[in-house]
Order: sequence, then structure tokens, then C-alpha cells
Amino acid sequence: AQRVTQPEKLLSVFKGAPVELKCNYSYSGSPELFWYVQYSRQRLQLLLRHISRESIKGFTADLNKGETSFHLKKPFAQEEDSAMYYCALRVTSGSRLTFGEGTQLTVNP
Amino acid sequence: EPEVTQTPSHQVTQMGQEVILRCVPISNHLYFYWYRQILGQKVEFLVSFYNNEISEKSEIFDDQFSVERPDGSNFTLKIRSTKLEDSAMYFCASSDSMLVLVNEQFFGPGTRLTVL
Repeated sequence: AQRVTQPEKLLSVFKGAPVELKCNYSYSGSPELFWYVQYSRQRLQLLLRHISRESIKGFTADLNKGETSFHLKKPFAQEEDSAMYYCALRVTSGSRLTFGEGTQLTVNP
Repeated sequence: EPEVTQTPSHQVTQMGQEVILRCVPISNHLYFYWYRQILGQKVEFLVSFYNNEISEKSEIFDDQFSVERPDGSNFTLKIRSTKLEDSAMYFCASSDSMLVLVNEQFFGPGTRLTVL
């Protein structure tokens, strides 16, 4: 069975500092990986997916199949990045999302 | 921009009562999902629904749960006899395509269910 692990429940950085939110997964095949974000009092929304290889709001994430990781990075954090971030995995298109526990990111002024 | 909506935002019920959580997916979407998040825990998949039938369900989705698309717009989750451990935030999601590059699940704001 697939599993997603986010080792940090809480992460606090200062504005302008680099930030990395860790995500590791276990699955024997080739899954799709996603990062979802939930800002305060808002709904879960897709931030980015590995297959698109894009940068959204300055965030990037690279799928490392050797380390089974999909860490989310941003070189210069902003206060508006403060939110809950969830890493998620999907085995096939249209199938369930398997979420990690989430990391609460706080960017301090 | 179209959004998934859910009602009610908060539902309080007594243990053993039936509850129906309602969702209105985005109008041209064909794939529907329910997830739940118990306080302090991860978001967990419950069930997916396509073409008027369940396409996948988790071990959580036992006989107490059922889903229905009673008309062209609503997608409901029914819990037949609620238990204390059913207290959670329930999220509905929908997507419009099976194509890999565009298949994004859009989430509703959630319904907080409290079972007393």
C-alpha cells in the first residue's frame, strides 16, 4: 500500500529565508506526486504536481525516485506563504489521493 | 471561478442518528470524491464515484456509509448510524477528466461533523 510521510508537523522560518518542506513516499510503482496548500480558513487547493515541472508562487518540487522524495522548496519565503502544506500521492489518474500528515509553515516577519 | 460547495458547514448530531452531507460539484465534472480528516490527523480517502457508481472505496467506507447522486447537481454522503469516531471534517472533491495532465481534484470547504 502507498504511504506519504511529512516528518515536520511545524516549520517556522523568517521572511526572506529559504524554506524546504520534506515529503517522502513509499510505493513500488511510479506514482504522481502533488503538493496541496490550505491557507487559513480556505479550502485545500493544488499548489503543484511533479508531472508539470512548474514553479508556482516561487515554489518548486523535484521528484527524486531514488530517495522516494518530493520536497517542496522556495528560496525566499514570504509571510503570505504561511499555511498548511500537504504532500499527496496518486497511483493512477482518477484514483484516490493519499495524503501526508501535513506541515504547518509559519513565515515570521 | 466555479467552486465545489458543501452544506452544511457544521453539523452536530447525536450518536446513532443518520446524517447526510451534501456537496455540489463543479458543473461539468464527472468524478466525485469524499475524504475526511479527523482532528489532528491526515486527510483520508473514503470513496470515489463515477458514472453513477462507486469506483473505489477505502476500508473506512463500511456499510454505515453510502453515497448518492440524487439529481444532476448534488452528491451526498450518508452515514446511517453515526458513531463518536465519525466526528471529523468531511471534504468533497470533483474532477473533470481522467487525462493525467489535467486531472485535478478540486476540493470543497468541508463540513465539520460533530457526533455527541
